[in-house]
Amino acid sequence: EAGVAQSPRYKIIEKRQSVAFWCNPISGHATLYWYQQILGQGPKLLIQFQNNGVVDDSQLPKDRFSAERLKGVDSTLKIQPAKLEDSAVYLCASSTGLAGLIYEQYFGPGTRLTVT
Amino acid sequence: GEDVEQSLFLSVREGDSSVINCTYTDSSSTYLYWYKQEPGAGLQLLTYIFSNMDMKQDQRLTVLLNKKDKHLSLRIADTQTGDSAIYFCAPGSARQLTFGSGTQLTVLP
Repeated sequence: EAGVAQSPRYKIIEKRQSVAFWCNPISGHATLYWYQQILGQGPKLLIQFQNNGVVDDSQLPKDRFSAERLKGVDSTLKIQPAKLEDSAVYLCASSTGLAGLIYEQYFGPGTRLTVT
Repeated sequence: GEDVEQSLFLSVREGDSSVINCTYTDSSSTYLYWYKQEPGAGLQLLTYIFSNMDMKQDQRLTVLLNKKDKHLSLRIADTQTGDSAIYFCAPGSARQLTFGSGTQLTVLP
């Protein structure tokens, strides 16, 4: 089975510019997650979707970050405008989201963002 | 929210056992996961344990859970150079995980 796909793999932008990341989850996975992983830290959940609805976005900086999952499949995470502290790896993960099963999350390779 | 603590670094000799420790604060965590991250790659689920279990063995991996002390450990038997990676402890509910900052395991030849 194909894994979680993310693009681009790397992005360098200047502060105050905007950037968008794309994620294609594993086919049939209802739940999709975006994480931010700052160097030397564990992933921090930004937003969780169940199909095309938001389950949790409590840690998403909504003044600059936005995410959508139209049609309940692919997802896009946007930052506008970017700050230096947004430099991180942005990880997308998906899981089946089915009740009663282990919610194993499958991770994509991530997008490494550098803000200069 | 949940706080998860791990030591940052661990070095072992090839063939020895590795033990990676984790402490957490949320006693309501129902699943406790271990993920592995190799350089430039996403996270890969290694193993997990339910909160009502004390131990789980999966080939070279042994997970021990002390629920009273909120302490989780991962033992890797016969550690190989291919085991060099960052290991994350992630307690949580079935839907959400909180990741520790990771333990970088270095396996020396």
